[in-house]
Amino acid sequence: DSGVTQTPKHLITATGQRVTLRCSPRSGDLSVYWYQQSLDQGLQFLIQYYNGEERAKGNILERFSAQQFPDLHSELNLSSLELGDSALYFCASSYRDNPTGELFFGEGSRLTVL
Amino acid sequence: SQQGEEDPQALSIQEGENATMNCSYKTSINNLQWYRQNSGRGLVHLILIRSNEREKHSGRLRVTLDTSKKSSSLLITASRAADTASYFCATDGWAGSYQLTFGKGTKLSVIP
Repeated sequence: DSGVTQTPKHLITATGQRVTLRCSPRSGDLSVYWYQQSLDQGLQFLIQYYNGEERAKGNILERFSAQQFPDLHSELNLSSLELGDSALYFCASSYRDNPTGELFFGEGSRLTVL
Repeated sequence: SQQGEEDPQALSIQEGENATMNCSYKTSINNLQWYRQNSGRGLVHLILIRSNEREKHSGRLRVTLDTSKKSSSLLITASRAADTASYFCATDGWAGSYQLTFGKGTKLSVIP
């Protein structure tokens, strides 16, 4: 158990809809990272928050947004969903403000868009 | 885009044999990490090697790093069926900010 909690574990929705994925980082960790894993693209870094502030941005679509709350949990919002958004979405956490050390991953949220 | 690329994409060996996976990357790094993922599960950190290190061991794992060739290898000795998983290298390159970028992974199957 990594100590990182993600909900929901599975989500099935329709194209055009909006969903919110939630992540609680490991106790004491200040950074939260979001990754998308799909068969064709592999693991893609989306965005990182550190202590409530956006720290790094990767291949995140404009239809996606994230935030980190004062209690350090984070939410990833995906809107105007398309079939191609179907993927496993992982949250990871670390203590540092950069990913030069070990990241602790949650078990992921599997999103299926029909 | 992927920073690291693992080779081979898939590897099938008998229990007890050694498994070697390779990773190549493109830009300068501080550290290189290897992670393991059981099917559909979260990634688990295995080992981190710093850019000024050439070799590191952890249990049955041996990692090498050649920064001049921008490559790393992961060796798993005396493999077990429980080692069946996908293995990813991850590099912390700079892309306007430090980002941990993963390769597409090597899928290892260890046959009992």
